[in-house]
Amino acid sequence: QIQLQESGPRLVKPSGTLSLTCGVSGGSISSDNWWSWVRQSPGKGLEWIGEIYHTGSTNYNPSLNSRVTISIDKSKNRFSLTLSSVTAADTAVYYCASYDTNGGYFFDYWGQGTLVTVSS
Amino acid sequence: DIVMTQSPLSLSVTPGEPASISCRSSQSLLHSDTYNHLDWYLQKPGQSPQLLIYLGSNRASGVPDRFSGSGSGTDFTLEISRVEAEDVGVYYCLQALQTPLTFGGGTKVEIK
Repeated sequence: QIQLQESGPRLVKPSGTLSLTCGVSGGSISSDNWWSWVRQSPGKGLEWIGEIYHTGSTNYNPSLNSRVTISIDKSKNRFSLTLSSVTAADTAVYYCASYDTNGGYFFDYWGQGTLVTVSS
Repeated sequence: DIVMTQSPLSLSVTPGEPASISCRSSQSLLHSDTYNHLDWYLQKPGQSPQLLIYLGSNRASGVPDRFSGSGSGTDFTLEISRVEAEDVGVYYCLQALQTPLTFGGGTKVEIK
């Protein structure tokens, strides 16, 4: 069973860059999944940020496109999110998740989520 | 982007009674593979979302059979035949037809 664990700074200053890493255990990051980031602003719903395949192919939410980068490190079985020029509106719980496209199209595993606060 | 609209916003249900949640998409989610690319997730309090239903009507592994999904095209429904206390939380639909993937706004289910 795949397990995902987010890590990274919990506090980021306005105009700074948010950086998170998701460690994958119990499976290979080179498997046939898309590795994704989803966020949830306090008291709000879920927003898809983007995804990466083990080949390095990416898809991003156009609402964040110019500020977001997702990368993958196959040697360490992990993938990462960077979000630049952050504002208070980027304060959210950030989840990493695996997206299955084999048996269906769905998020099958999620990390526990990490709250990142943008504040000076 | 495909806009997903859920209703109602909240639901208060007596244990043992049924519950129904609606999800409507701004465009058809029926793919050329003949499946509707629509999932349902439950986010229990303090937890990450968990998959309930995929491709419109397929129950995920381990999901009780009191949960069922139906619908096609732009109109979908999640039904709980007999609500139990452990079913409380926020239910989200997700369109998985195209990126950006988009979620519904959520339906909060409480127990009376």
